Amino acid sequence: QVLLQESGPGLVKPSQTLSLTCTVSDNSILSGDYYWNWIRQPAGGGLEWIGRIYLDRRTTSNPSLQSRVTFSLDTIKKQISLRVTSVTAADTAIYYCARESYFSGGFDPWGQGTLVTVSS
Amino acid sequence: QSALSQPASVSGSPGQSITISCTATSNYVGRYDSVSWYQHHPGEVPRLIIYDVIDRPSGISNRFSGSKSGNTASLTISGLQTEDEANYYCSAFTTDSTWVFGAGTKLTVL
Repeated sequence: QVLLQESGPGLVKPSQTLSLTCTVSDNSILSGDYYWNWIRQPAGGGLEWIGRIYLDRRTTSNPSLQSRVTFSLDTIKKQISLRVTSVTAADTAIYYCARESYFSGGFDPWGQGTLVTVSS
Repeated sequence: QSALSQPASVSGSPGQSITISCTATSNYVGRYDSVSWYQHHPGEVPRLIIYDVIDRPSGISNRFSGSKSGNTASLTISGLQTEDEANYYCSAFTTDSTWVFGAGTKLTVL
């Protein structure tokens, strides 16, 4: 059973860059069978898809965030990463990474999530 | 305004069945073939319960079922149990190769 674990600073100042990493416990990141997604949930709000990356480094992102997000994938460290630039209080949320099968829809499994607060 | 419309809340009594709808409000979701559903208990990690409209991941109870008619996908939970009380989200793949979530439905088991 693969495990995903997010990590990164819990507090980021407004206008700065939020950087998170998701570590994958098995070698599924090395195969072409999966996309690797980032999803967030603000306090009291619903789920918002941020974007995804594939093994060949192709990425797709939410049009509402596209200009501020970048994704990377490191097969050596078995990690995926997310960067969000120019953050505001609206970016305060629990951030999850999740795996998606290339052959079928659905995010499974999810990481435990990490809370990021944007505040001075 | 999400491209997917869900009721804000539904309720039912133990043993009953309930259905949560997820209506695509634009052509943004294309043929609406890649619809998934998630159960989310507050403070826990969201869990995939239905994918590709009707399929259940291994380990998910057959009390959960998915269907679709036209531009409306539905999640039905039969034999309601108290532990089913949670927030439920639908998600769909769009013509831009992005994913979109509905705003979520709060299920209360009375």
